[in-house]
Formats: sequence, C-alpha cells, structure tokens
Amino acid sequence: AQSVSQHNHHVILSEAASLELGCNYSYGGTVNLFWYVQYPGQHLQLLLKYFSGDPLVKGIKGFEAEFIKSKFSFNLRKPSVQWSDTAEYFCAVNARGNNRLAFGKGNQVVVIP
Amino acid sequence: SAVISQKPSRDICQRGTSLTIQCQVDSQVTMMFWYRQQPGQSLTLIATANQGSEATYESGFVIDKFPISRPNLTFSTLTVSNMSPEDSSIYLCSVGRQFYEQYFGPGTRLTVT
Repeated sequence: AQSVSQHNHHVILSEAASLELGCNYSYGGTVNLFWYVQYPGQHLQLLLKYFSGDPLVKGIKGFEAEFIKSKFSFNLRKPSVQWSDTAEYFCAVNARGNNRLAFGKGNQVVVIP
Repeated sequence: SAVISQKPSRDICQRGTSLTIQCQVDSQVTMMFWYRQQPGQSLTLIATANQGSEATYESGFVIDKFPISRPNLTFSTLTVSNMSPEDSSIYLCSVGRQFYEQYFGPGTRLTVT
C-alpha cells in the first residue's frame, strides 16, 4: 500500500514570503498525485493534480507542484503567499488504476499579514 | 466537480449509541468513498461504497462497526455503531471523477461523550 509523508506540520510565514511544502510517497508503481487545501471553515478542495506529462503542474491561486519521480516527491510551491493562503494543505496519492487515496498528515500554514 | 452535501454537519452522541451520516451528490457518480479524520490526524479511507453490492472496507474497518448503504448513484449512508469516545472524528464522503480525482463533502463532525 502507498504511504505519504509531509514534514513541517506547522508553517508560519509573512505575506509575500515564498512557500514550499514537501511531499514524499512510497510506492513503486505509477501514481496519480494531488494536493488538497482546506481553508478555515471550508471543506477540502482540490488544489492541483498530476497524472502524466509535464512534471511541473500549475493549480489554482498561483500554486504549482513539481513531480520528481526519482525522489518520489511532489512538492508544492507558491512564490509569494497571501494572508488568504492560510489553510491546511494535504498531499495525496493513489496508484494508477486504483481510486483509493492515501493522504499525508497535512501542513498547517499560517500567513501573517 | 460535484456538489456534495452531508447530514448532519455535526452531532454530539452518547457512548453506545449509533449515528447514521448521509451523503448526497447532485449528479450520478460511480465511485463514492467514506473517510475519517481523527483529531490532529490525516484522512483515512474507511471504505468504498459500491452501488448494488456490499461496501469494500479497508484494513482495520469492519462492516459491523461501520455499515454502509449505497441504494443509488447519488446517495450513500455511513453508520457509526456502538460508539465510543475514540470514534470522535470528522467523517467525510467523497466522489470519484475522471482521472481518479476525488471531490469531498463538507464533513460531519462527531463527538462521542
């Protein structure tokens, strides 16, 4: 079964700072990769996804993530965060052909105005 | 995407009782899933709700404790039976879309006293 690791569970940043959240997974086969975001008081939303092709994927609100197959990683980045990016971010993976998602423990990101 | 609603949004229940959570989707979907998010933890898949057949449970989850119904392609229920304080969690349903994406409902926050 696949597993997902996210580090630095709590991240505090000032506005305009750059954000990078690490995600590593353990699974030897082909995977689909996702980042979900949960804003305060809201439900989980899909931020971006990778299935195949260009390993650099762009999502909503200026976020991007890069799939590095050799490192089993799918790190999330945003060059300049805003206060509205305060949220919890979850990395998730499923094996190709299998809908069952495995989630990381999440990163709680707080952006200080 | 899909519009997913859950009822109730939250509940406080006594130990030993059962609670049934409903999940309604605004369009027909093939795949529906139930997850649990315990305090401070990530999302864990409980089961896949199959229309017209028994749910498929993940390791550590059993039908007697978490019976699931899926009477049609837009609706599912999850029952948390014989509850204990350890069952206090957020329970989420999700639906699968093309390319293995999943979209999540708002969740049901359950507190067992």
